[in-house]
Order: sequence, then structure tokens, then C-alpha cells
Amino acid sequence: QVQLQQSGPGLVKPSQTLSLTCAISGDSVSTNSAAWNWIRQSPSRGLEWLGRTYFQSKWYTDYAESVKSRVTINPDTSKNQFSLHLNSVSPEDTAVYYCARGWGSGWYLGYWGQGTLVTVSS
Amino acid sequence: EIVLTQSPGTLSLSPGEGATLSCRASQNIASSYLAWYQQKPGQAPRLLIYGASYRATGIPDRFSGSRSGTDFSLTISRLEPEDFAVYYCQQYESSPYSFGQGTKLEIK
Repeated sequence: QVQLQQSGPGLVKPSQTLSLTCAISGDSVSTNSAAWNWIRQSPSRGLEWLGRTYFQSKWYTDYAESVKSRVTINPDTSKNQFSLHLNSVSPEDTAVYYCARGWGSGWYLGYWGQGTLVTVSS
Repeated sequence: EIVLTQSPGTLSLSPGEGATLSCRASQNIASSYLAWYQQKPGQAPRLLIYGASYRATGIPDRFSGSRSGTDFSLTISRLEPEDFAVYYCQQYESSPYSFGQGTKLEIK
């Protein structure tokens, strides 16, 4: 059974960097049959896919254009986890952030983390 | 970017009734890479349907998905009390992998 456990601060100051980690159990971040995603949800923007990382002979990342200039998603093979870093945050980045595993044909999101509410405020 | 438009915004029904939720794509999703998720308050979305019509593991057979061109539907044949929630569609064919705005299924 795949489980994703999120961790990270719930409060970030404007202009700083939001950093979250998603620890994986029941699968490997290095598998070539899954992609590791970050999604956020807010009342104003709904569910918004932010990006993903995946391994297929080498590591790839894929980001939404809306955050591409500010976002980095990194795998950590030593800890079997992956992380989200979103810099230069503003109050508009306040949201519940989720990690999720993409799997199967096309990589639908079958397993999700528990979600982390991140508030951007001074 | 593929835009997904869900309708209706809110659906008020009674347990035992049937429900049909719609999701219209702004472009053809050639691969049928469309999923449906259920979300309850305070929880992460839960995968119900993938590939437009395949039920995820453990999902009751009262849930079904279908496609007609750029129109996708989620049908719940006989509503149970635990089915009242918000439902989202998502396309995972082309980046960005967009979601619809959701349909709230509420008890009448």
C-alpha cells in the first residue's frame, strides 16, 4: 500500500520560499513507472497542478507555466522522498498543498498525501 | 491549455436517486486521459475513475464514467449517504494537467 506523508511549515512570510517534503512508503521515488506530483487547492484558484518529477533512465521535471519561474521539485533518493520549493511567495500562494503519485497509463493520481495548509503572511 | 468546465455547479438529490455529473473539455482529449475524483471536507481528493471509464481499485460499481466527444460524464446509479461530496474531473493528457472547478453533490 502506497502512503505519502507530507511535512513542512504552515506559515511562510511574503517573498520567502515555501518548502514542503513528501515521504514515500510502499514505492520508490526512483521507479520508472510513476511520477511524483505537487498540486495545490485554494478557494480562488481551485485545484491547480504545479509540477512533477519522474525517473526514466534519467530524472525529468515538468512544471506548470503559472509557477515555472518560481518552482523546483526535487527527488531525494537517499530518503525516498521528493520536495517542493516555491520562491518569492505572496498571499496568493496561500493554499492547501498536496503531493500525489501519478501511476498507470498516462499517470493518473491514485495516491495523495494528507495535504498541508500553507499560509503566506507576515 | 485544456480547460475543463463542470456542470452543474451544485446538484441537490436524495439518497437512492441517480446522479449525472458533466465535464466538458475545451479540446479533444484523444487518449481519454480523464479522471474523476471525490473530495470530502478536510480530505484529499480520492480517485474514482481513470481513463474516462475505468473504476479505480475499491470503487463501488454504482460509479461509472463515460465519454462522448469532448463531453465526459460521471454517473452514480443509486446515491448512498457517503456519496455527497464535491467531484472534480482532471485531464492528464497534456501539461498543465488541469482540473475542473468541481460539482457539489448535496443532500436535498
